[in-house]
Amino acid sequence: EPEVTQTPSHQVTQMGQEVILRCVPISNHLYFYWYRQILGQKVEFLVSFYNNEISEKSEIFDDQFSVERPDGSNFTLKIRSTKLEDSAMYFCASRGLDTEAFFGQGTRLTVV
Amino acid sequence: AQKVTQAQTEISVVEKEDVTLDCVYETRDTTYYLFWYKQPPSGELVFLIRRNSFDEQNEISGRYSWNFQKSTSSFNFTITASQVVDSAVYFCALSEGRNEKLTFGTGTRLTIIP
Repeated sequence: EPEVTQTPSHQVTQMGQEVILRCVPISNHLYFYWYRQILGQKVEFLVSFYNNEISEKSEIFDDQFSVERPDGSNFTLKIRSTKLEDSAMYFCASRGLDTEAFFGQGTRLTVV
Repeated sequence: AQKVTQAQTEISVVEKEDVTLDCVYETRDTTYYLFWYKQPPSGELVFLIRRNSFDEQNEISGRYSWNFQKSTSSFNFTITASQVVDSAVYFCALSEGRNEKLTFGTGTRLTIIP
């Protein structure tokens, strides 16, 4: 069964450092998303990506965040200068034309 | 703006009891999709069901069933004969349009007591 793969599963970084979270969506999917879940809270939308550009972003997705699909298979989320409040589980998701969103297993980011 | 409300923060039931998780949504769109996801202690999000706004038929899948009522803007989820493996956080979610973002509720933590 196809699945969305995220790496790493857990990343610890120092405040102010840049991090890149990586995702490999399902191969024939067209819509890509990043979501965030602060510990014990709900899952929040960050950004959606279609046709090699951002289609929508939330208020959380400020200038510190960026997304890329560098090689047609990977989909990355970069946080330029991490803050303590960026500590969360980050989920990547992808969708086909008429399917539900398939989520990766998540990357737990801990900023110290 | 779209919104999903899961008023039940935590529920505990004894194994083999039935349990219903409530979900109420708000949207201005006439075309929308409703979802339920399960988040076990391991943390991943497991898809359970997607329902579009034009299909109000209730659905049953094994011990799981869903009751969609547009008149009350609700999409409730019932687990029959609960098992310990059902213990998890359950999220209801809404998307407007076919491939738009998901708006999640705050989740209901379900604990099944053996």
